[in-house]
Formats: sequence, C-alpha cells, structure tokens
Amino acid sequence: SQQGEEDPQALSIQEGENATMNCSYKTSINNLQWYRQNSGRGLVHLILIRSNEREKHSGRLRVTLDTSKKSSSLLITASRAADTASYFCAPPNTGFQKLVFGTGTRLLVSP
Amino acid sequence: DTAVSQTPKYLVTQMGNDKSIKCEQNLGHDTMYWYKQDSKKFLKIMFSYNNKELIINETVPNRFSPKSPDKAHLNLHINSLELGDSAVYFCASSLLPQSDTYEQYFGPGTRLTVT
Repeated sequence: SQQGEEDPQALSIQEGENATMNCSYKTSINNLQWYRQNSGRGLVHLILIRSNEREKHSGRLRVTLDTSKKSSSLLITASRAADTASYFCAPPNTGFQKLVFGTGTRLLVSP
Repeated sequence: DTAVSQTPKYLVTQMGNDKSIKCEQNLGHDTMYWYKQDSKKFLKIMFSYNNKELIINETVPNRFSPKSPDKAHLNLHINSLELGDSAVYFCASSLLPQSDTYEQYFGPGTRLTVT
C-alpha cells in the first residue's frame, strides 16, 4: 500500500511567515487529505482535495494537487505559534478503505 | 460534546499483562479504526470495522484483538503485552469509505507504556 511522504521532515519559521510542506505519493488517487496533529493530541482533518481540483483554500490554508507529478503541497500563510504541529498527508488505499499516513512534517512557529 | 473518546488516556503496565482500551464515537459513523503511533511518530493503521464487521486487519500480532459490540464502540484488547507494544494508540471513525474517502475523526489517544 502507498503512503504519503511528507517533505521536509521538520520546518522552523517565525510568526507571520508562510510555511510550505510537500507530499508525494506513488499510485493514482482520486483525492488526498491533509491532517494536523498537535503535540499529545489526535489528528485533526484539515482539508480534502480531489483529483479534479488543482487548488483548494480553507482560511489560511492553501492546498495544491498535481496528479501528473503525484504530489501535493500545503501552504499555511501568515503562520501563528498555534500552527506549531505535525502535518500529515494521507492518500487513500485499497479502494478508499484506508488512509496510510507517513511520518509528517513537524512545523515549529516561533513568536 | 466529545466526538471520539478513548479510555484510559494513560496506561502503564508490566510485560505479560493483558489490557484493554475502549473507544466510543457519538458521530453516528459506520466505520471505526485503530491506529498505532510509535516513538518516531509513524502512524500505522491496525484495524478497521464497519458496523461491527472487520474490514481491515493489517499485519498485527494476534495478541491484539479488536471487539465491536455495536457500531458506536470499538475496543482493543491486548494479550501478553510486550515492550514493543509501547506506543500511542488512536481510535478514529468515519462514514463508510465505500465509493469515496471521508475525513476521519480521531480520539485523543491512549499512551501505553509497557515496563
């Protein structure tokens, strides 16, 4: 089964800066999800983008999907300290039945 | 209102013991999952149940046995605990991923420490 592979593994920025993290996957998908995990907490769904969408916005989040390159990116604009978390992409597997997570990108936003 | 709840939040036990983790969701979802997150933060699916029926069983030792008394509950029982079982276990739920993929709602996790 495939998993999303996030890059970079860790990212450290200052408040107000933008943060970009990338995800690559191996096989064709019809959608991809992004999740956030704050330290010591469960994952929280951020956004789902479908294969017929190239870009999707949700508040300060912008997600892109390039199915030809099998990659996706998550951009957080005007970052805040509260954005400090790990971010995971999750492509579906086994005919939608499961998501396979990678090790995520650890984002640290300093005040 | 808590959507997906797990008990206990922390569990410290000795090798060889048997323990259970409980999970409940009040979202009306058909499908529930158990994940294991190791110390490197790698989150791996273990089981998935749809309406009390097992639909995904990853390569998990048979010391791990999920039990779903109804579609709102999915418990995880672990026999003969080993040091390598130490991890954070997350329960999650979603609509049935049959013709599409749906967002999953995660519980707060149970940190299991085996000594």
